[in-house]
Amino acid sequence: GENVEQHPSTLSVQEGDSAVIKCTYSDSASNYFPWYKQELGKRPQLIIDIRSNVGEKKDQRIAVTLNKTAKHFSLHITETQPEDSAVYFCAASIPRGNEKLTFGTGTRLTIIP
Amino acid sequence: DTGVSQDPRHKITKRGQNVTFRCDPISEHNRLYWYRQTLGQGPEFLTYFQNEAQLEKSRLLSDRFSAERPKGSFSTLEIQRTEQGDSAMYLCASSFSVYEQYFGPGTRLTVT
Repeated sequence: GENVEQHPSTLSVQEGDSAVIKCTYSDSASNYFPWYKQELGKRPQLIIDIRSNVGEKKDQRIAVTLNKTAKHFSLHITETQPEDSAVYFCAASIPRGNEKLTFGTGTRLTIIP
Repeated sequence: DTGVSQDPRHKITKRGQNVTFRCDPISEHNRLYWYRQTLGQGPEFLTYFQNEAQLEKSRLLSDRFSAERPKGSFSTLEIQRTEQGDSAMYLCASSFSVYEQYFGPGTRLTVT
């Protein structure tokens, strides 16, 4: 089955700097890659996703890149703000297969004011 | 609030008891998923429904676990003869398409 690895497990950045979180996946059939933000005690919140027909997608301060050949994808957050502090999870799925999301182990992002 | 809702939010039970959780998806979402999340880990897939049909079950879903989605609306997840290892956050998600799963707030189960 699919295996998703995520790095780093913790990340601290100064407010205003950029943060990058990287994930790799094992199943070449995967072609949908969402990112979720989970604040303490809250539900995972979908913040951005990418499908295999594009290499990059941007939404304001967040962007995701995908390299299908290397089977890795990354989340980029620019101009970080204190409210960006949370745990971020990457995931992968085969939308027209079993549709289940396989998640990475998460990255705890701390923004230092 | 038109998001995914789950009930109860917290459940404390003694080992060996049965528990049932409920999930109400976003209206008109025909896909409903159950995941389990333990501390410090990402959610793990348990099972999913398209309308009322249960299409996929994880090996994590032992015989003590059963899920239903009668009439393709809300869903219930039952755990029989609970064990301490069942302690976790049980998350429900729903989707209108094969993409974009939206999660509920979860039910935190503690087995004592």
